[in-house]
Amino acid sequence: QPVVTQEPSLTVSPGGTVTLTCGSSTESVTDLLYPYWFQQKPGQVPRALIFDTSNRHSWTPARFSGSLLGGKAALTLSGAQPEDEADYYCLLYGGYRVFGGGTRLTVL
Amino acid sequence: EVQLVESGGDLVQPGGSLRLSCEASGFTFNKYWMSWVRQAPGKGPEWVANIKEDGSDIHYLDSVKGRFTISRDNVKNSLYLQMSSLRVEDTAVYYCLRDYGGWWGQGTLVTVSS
Repeated sequence: QPVVTQEPSLTVSPGGTVTLTCGSSTESVTDLLYPYWFQQKPGQVPRALIFDTSNRHSWTPARFSGSLLGGKAALTLSGAQPEDEADYYCLLYGGYRVFGGGTRLTVL
Repeated sequence: EVQLVESGGDLVQPGGSLRLSCEASGFTFNKYWMSWVRQAPGKGPEWVANIKEDGSDIHYLDSVKGRFTISRDNVKNSLYLQMSSLRVEDTAVYYCLRDYGGWWGQGTLVTVSS
C-alpha cells in the first residue's frame, strides 16, 4: 500500500489563496486514482469537499477547487475565510484506498 | 438524502471480538462500493476495508488482514465488520463510508483495553 503525503501544516491569510497537495509514493497521481478531499473541523466527522479530482458536492463553496498539479492532486482555496480553518485529508482510490496524513490549515 | 448509521461499538478486552453494523438509506445500496474507515483519537482517518457492490471483491488494510472481515447484505441495506483478535491499537471511531461521493456515517467507538 502506498504512502500518501500531504503538507503537515499551511497558513493562509484571510482572503488569500493556498494550494494543498497530495502525492503518492508509488506513482503519479492521475484521474485514475479518483482523488478525494475531505475537510474535518474539531469534533466533527470528515466531510467530502471534492471527489473524482475536481467535482464539488452541493455544499462545497466555490472557493474550493480540485485539480492535478505536477503528478499530485491539489486542493486550491481562493479567498480563504476564517471558517476554512480545519484539517484537510486527501484519499486516493487505487486497488486500496489510502488517506494522506492530513494538512492542518490555519487562516491567520 | 444519504444516511449511514453505524452501531456495535463497545469496550472490549485485547484478543476479543466485536461486530459492527452500518444501516444505509437514501440511495440504492447495491450499486455502490462500501468501506470501513477508522480514526484513532487525535489521528487522521485510516481506511480499513472495502467491498464491491455484489460482495465479489474485497480489500483490507494489511494490519487487519486475517482478523477483520467485511461483508454486506444487500437485502437489508447493511454493511458489517466482524473484528476478532482485537488489539489496543485498533481503538478508534469506526465509520461506514459510501465510496462514491465520500459519504460518512456518524461513527461508532471501539475501545480495546484491559
